[in-house]
This record gives sequence, structure tokens and C-alpha cells, in this order.
Amino acid sequence: ETGVTQSPTHLIKTRGQQVTLRCSSQSGHNTVSWYQQALGQGPQFIFQYYREEENGRGNFPPRFSGLQFPNYSSELNVNALELDDSALYLCASSFGGSRLEQYFGPGTRLTVT
Amino acid sequence: QQQVKQSPQSLIVQKGGISIINCAYENTAFDYFPWYQQFPGKGPALLIAIRPDVSEKKEGRFTISFNKSAKQFSLHIMDSQPGDSATYFCAASEYGNKLVFGAGTILRVKS
Repeated sequence: ETGVTQSPTHLIKTRGQQVTLRCSSQSGHNTVSWYQQALGQGPQFIFQYYREEENGRGNFPPRFSGLQFPNYSSELNVNALELDDSALYLCASSFGGSRLEQYFGPGTRLTVT
Repeated sequence: QQQVKQSPQSLIVQKGGISIINCAYENTAFDYFPWYQQFPGKGPALLIAIRPDVSEKKEGRFTISFNKSAKQFSLHIMDSQPGDSATYFCAASEYGNKLVFGAGTILRVKS
């Protein structure tokens, strides 16, 4: 069974640029959730995708957007990067339905300068 | 509004001792309460979780105690080991949707 993978591991962007982060869900999982974890804080929910549809969104502006593909992998896109977007971005996959466990990938460390 | 409050912020325990981390929640609609362990540079790893229809769940050295009326739950780590040194997060959700995390507890187990 393959776990959750994310790419890239880390990247550095300049304020105002755009970035795309990628996530491959665990085998058999059809739901992907994205979280932002600032240094020294708990993860904050960005949004969740279930069977390619957005299934809930946290308190993040529209410049944070996402996609889920037919193979249940997912992308997180952030436009007009701001310094405060510097964080660890985590992807979690789950089965959906009555199984609630969310399993996290290793994250992508984004630094905005 | 912080919906899940976690304490203490940091904790030092002797090897072989019991580590106890507490969380309190406000939203009575929460129905799933997991604990995650995170090592530096890694993603959170699911340790143990509980639903509100039980008051205690044990898996190995890890036990969750749940008090629905007080809206509180706690993690007990028995026989704590240096390898348990990590940051621990409690969380809560409504039916598997967004997880709301506590602020985290940095645990250090001294050998």
C-alpha cells in the first residue's frame, strides 16, 4: 500500500508569483484535504475534495484554489503569493464515507521572499 | 475563534513516566477526535482516535480518555520513551470533514 506523497519537497518563490503543489493520495482513498501549517502552529484546513468536487473550504481567500483528478490525486494552486503564505502545506487523504481517518503526506515547505 | 484548546504547550517527562496532554472543544457537533504525532520536518502521523460514544480507547501505550459532558479529551502515553519526543496535536471534526487542530504540545522525554 502506497502512502500519501507530495511534490515538491520544498520551494522558494517571490511575492506576487504563483505556485502549484501536488499530492498523490494513498491507494484506495478518494478524498483529499489540504492544510497550511505555519511554523509552531497546528495545521489549518484549506479545503477538501471528494470525487473531484470541492467538499468544504476553510477561511482562505479565493487565490487558494484546487483540483482533484480522476485518479484522486490533487493540486493546490496559490496565486499572488504573499509573505504570510510561507508555511508547510500538507495533503491528507482519506477513504470518505464512514471511514474518517485522514493520513498526511510529508508536506511541501513553501518559502515566499 | 479557536475551537480546540490544547494544553500544556510543552511537557518534559522522565523515561518510563506518563505523559498527559489535554484538549477541550466548543463545538458539540464534533463527532471524531484524533491525535497526531509530528516529528520535525515530517507530516503528522495518526496515532489514535475516538468517537464520542465511548469514554476510553487504548492502543498499546497510548490511551484516549473522553468526557463528553465536559467537552474534554486527553492523551495518555504510558511508559514514555525518548523516541516519543515529538509534537502532539489533538484535533476534532464533524463526520470526517475538516479537521480542527489544537495548537500542539511539544513533548520531551528525558532518558
